[in-house]
Amino acid sequence: DTGVSQNPRHKITKRGQNVTFRCDPISEHNRLYWYRQTLGQGPEFLTYFQNEAQLEKSRLLSDRFSAERPKGSFSTLEIQRTEQGDSAMYLCASSPSGTGNTKQYFGPGTRLTVT
Amino acid sequence: AQSVTQLGSHVSVSEGALVLLRCNYSSSVPPYLFWYVQYPNQGLQLLLKYTSAATLVKGINGFEAEFKKSETSFHLTKPSAHMSDAAEYFCAVSATDSWGKLQFGAGTQVVVTP
Repeated sequence: DTGVSQNPRHKITKRGQNVTFRCDPISEHNRLYWYRQTLGQGPEFLTYFQNEAQLEKSRLLSDRFSAERPKGSFSTLEIQRTEQGDSAMYLCASSPSGTGNTKQYFGPGTRLTVT
Repeated sequence: AQSVTQLGSHVSVSEGALVLLRCNYSSSVPPYLFWYVQYPNQGLQLLLKYTSAATLVKGINGFEAEFKKSETSFHLTKPSAHMSDAAEYFCAVSATDSWGKLQFGAGTQVVVTP
């Protein structure tokens, strides 16, 4: 497999601007996950897709955040009116369907810096 | 509700020495347990996972972990550290009745000295 890819790898934006990140999962994987990782912390779950359906969202995902996965392929995560607290690494992962022990494959992440 | 605690945010080991990274979980029933490694500028990579088949789990790169229900622990070990083991290590849990949402610990940064 070619692995999970994320673009851009780095994004610097000014507070109040909107940003959008893209995740391309492994092609045969129908599950896709977004996590956020801040400095010194482990990744925190944001949201999860099964094909094109968004099945769960964390309370961390405020109204300024929206995620989509049209046609069950790639996914986008948009942050509107960015705040300095949004600065973090945004990780995408994918997996085939399965139980709670199914391996998730992670992308390299998009590092967001809000100035 | 589940949680996972990693003891020690930084660990320094000499090359050739034992690597021991500690992970304790809190859950009403034993969850699935994972260890992931993160190298700089790379994605998280699965080292090993516990799925109730065996309490001693062997993973990649010579790592292994032992599930101890009585201690609610899943510590990661490697008998002899290599310089290439320098990375950040994360313990994670997933409920056995879930679709697989991972809850991660805060991570342990491993430094290997010559």
